[in-house]
Amino acid sequence: EDQVTQSPEALRLQEGESSSLNCSYTVSGLRGLFWYRQDPGKGPEFLFTLYSAGEEKEKERLKATLTKKESFLHITAPKPEDSATYLCAVQVGGYQKVTFGTGTKLQVIP
Amino acid sequence: NAGVTQTPKFQVLKTGQSMTLQCAQDMNHNSMYWYRQDPGMGLRLIYYSASEGTTDKGEVPNGYNVSRLNKREFSLRLESAAPSQTSVYFCASSEANREKLFFGSGTQLSVL
Repeated sequence: EDQVTQSPEALRLQEGESSSLNCSYTVSGLRGLFWYRQDPGKGPEFLFTLYSAGEEKEKERLKATLTKKESFLHITAPKPEDSATYLCAVQVGGYQKVTFGTGTKLQVIP
Repeated sequence: NAGVTQTPKFQVLKTGQSMTLQCAQDMNHNSMYWYRQDPGMGLRLIYYSASEGTTDKGEVPNGYNVSRLNKREFSLRLESAAPSQTSVYFCASSEANREKLFFGSGTQLSVL
C-alpha cells in the first residue's frame, strides 16, 4: 500500500529562522511528488512537482528536494505570511492515483 | 480568473437528507475530481472524471454519486447523508495528462 508520512505535524518558527519539512514515502513506481500550500478555509495551492531523485526546485523562500525515499521542503528566512499547512502528495500510475500526506502546519512568529 | 468555483461554502444537513455539491471550472480542463478532507487524514479521492462523459470511483466512493454535466461542471450528490460524511469537500481540476491539481475553496458539510 502506498504511504506518505509528513513530519513534523506542526512547526513553530521565529521569523527568519530557517528549517525543513519532511515527506517520506513508500510507493511502487513514483511518477511524481507534489508540494501544496493550504491556508485556513481554502483549498490547496500547488507549489512544486518533483519527478526524479536529485531534482530540486525553488520559489522565493521555498526549496523542494527529492531523494528515493523522501522529499524536503526547505524554508529559508521565513516570514509570517509563510504560515500555512504544507501538504505533500505522491503520484503512482495514472493521474488520478495521487496519495496525500496529512500535512505540516507551519506557524511563523514575528 | 475564477479558477474552480464550489457552492455552497457551508451546509448543515440532518441524517437522511440529500444534497448536491456543485463545482465549475473555467480553465478548459479535461479532468475533474472530488476529494474529502478530514482531521488527521490526508485528502482522499471520492470520484474523478478523466474527461467529459466519463466518471470513475476513487478511494472512498460509498454513499456518493457524481455527474459530469459538461466539460466545465462536475457535481457530487449525497443521496442519504450520514454523520460519517461530515467533512470538508474539495473539487479540483487538471489538464489531461498533467498532474498539477487546481482546487476550489471547499464546502464544509456537517451532518447531524
